[in-house]
Order: sequence, then structure tokens, then C-alpha cells
Amino acid sequence: EDQVTQSPEALRLQEGESSSLNCSYTVSGLRGLFWYRQDPGKGPEFLFTLYSAGEEKEKERLKATLTKKESFLHITAPKPEDSATYLCAVQALSNSGYALNFGKGTSLLVTP
Amino acid sequence: ETGVTQTPRHLVMGMTNKKSLKCEQHLGHNAMYWYKQSAKKPLELMFVYSLEERVENNSVPSRFSPECPNSSHLFLHLHTLQPEDSALYLCASSHNPGGYTFGSGTRLTVV
Repeated sequence: EDQVTQSPEALRLQEGESSSLNCSYTVSGLRGLFWYRQDPGKGPEFLFTLYSAGEEKEKERLKATLTKKESFLHITAPKPEDSATYLCAVQALSNSGYALNFGKGTSLLVTP
Repeated sequence: ETGVTQTPRHLVMGMTNKKSLKCEQHLGHNAMYWYKQSAKKPLELMFVYSLEERVENNSVPSRFSPECPNSSHLFLHLHTLQPEDSALYLCASSHNPGGYTFGSGTRLTVV
């Protein structure tokens, strides 16, 4: 059974203090790994898709990396507006419906 | 209007009521999804429609009934719900395969 585990559950950073969020996964053949950002009361917003080990993607202060067992979301010099819940999800090759299997998320708070 | 639109944004219903959630996508995607999001739990897949046909139904109770009349519209019909069904219900669409675009969700409270 596919599993996605995110850590830490919650993270508090000072503005400018860089850190990383972890997403560990087990899946029977990875089609893609996805990162989303979710603000309170809103739907998740797409950030990145990674397809194979060694792949990296960047967007502003965020950088996502992928290995065969885990993905990291690195946040460089975060700002208060980066505060949100970050969700990781995997899509399996065997899943005919292309469903995404999500982790519980990491709640990030960046203080001034 | 662009993206994925869900209505209503908030819904309070009694356990004996019947209501429907609506989702509309203007992205030309060929798959649509219903997810349930409860506090401290991962998003739970409820239903998948690909090319207007239901592909997956993850053992969801029959008090939830989906309908996909065309590739742009998705409904979730609700009847005789329980208080534990209170949650954020999210609709999403995608090109298969690919990542999702989510709507803003319907916050459902069952009293």
C-alpha cells in the first residue's frame, strides 16, 4: 500500500532562517511526486511535480528535490507570507484513476 | 471564469437534510475528483471520474452520491449525514496523468 509520511508536523521559523521539510514515501512504481501549499480555508495550490530521482525544481524561495525514498522542500530565507501548510502527494504508476495519495502535511509558521 | 469553482463555500445541514455540492472546472481537464479533508488527517480520496466515468470509489458510505454529467461539472449529493461527516470537501481536476488543480472547498457542518 502506498504511504506518504511528512515531517515535522509543525515548524516555526524566524524570518530569514532557512530549513527543510521532509516527505518520505513508499509506492509501487512512482509516476510523480507533488508538492502543494495550502492556506487556511482554501484549497491546496500546486507548487511542483518531480518525476525521477535526482530531479530538482525551484520557485522563488522554494526548492524541491527527489530521491528514491524521499523528497525535500527547502525553504531559503523564508518570509512571513510563506506561512502555510505544505502537502506532499504521490501518484503511482499502477493507479488507473491517477489518484494522488497525500501526507498529513507540515504546518509552517514564519515569524518576523 | 477560470480554474475550479466550488459552491457553496459553507454549508450547515441537519442529519435528515438532502443537499448537493457543485464543482465546475474551466481548464479542459479530463478527470475530476472529490476529496475529504478532516483535521489532523491526510486528504482522503472519495471519488474519481475520468472521461465522465467513475474509476474509483474508495469505500465511501452510500450517503455520499457523486454525479458527473459532463467533463466540466461534478456534483456530490448528500443525504442523512452524520456529525463525523463535517469536514472540508475539496474538488479537483487534472489532465491524466498529472497534478491537480483544486477548488477552494466547501466547509460542511452537520448538526
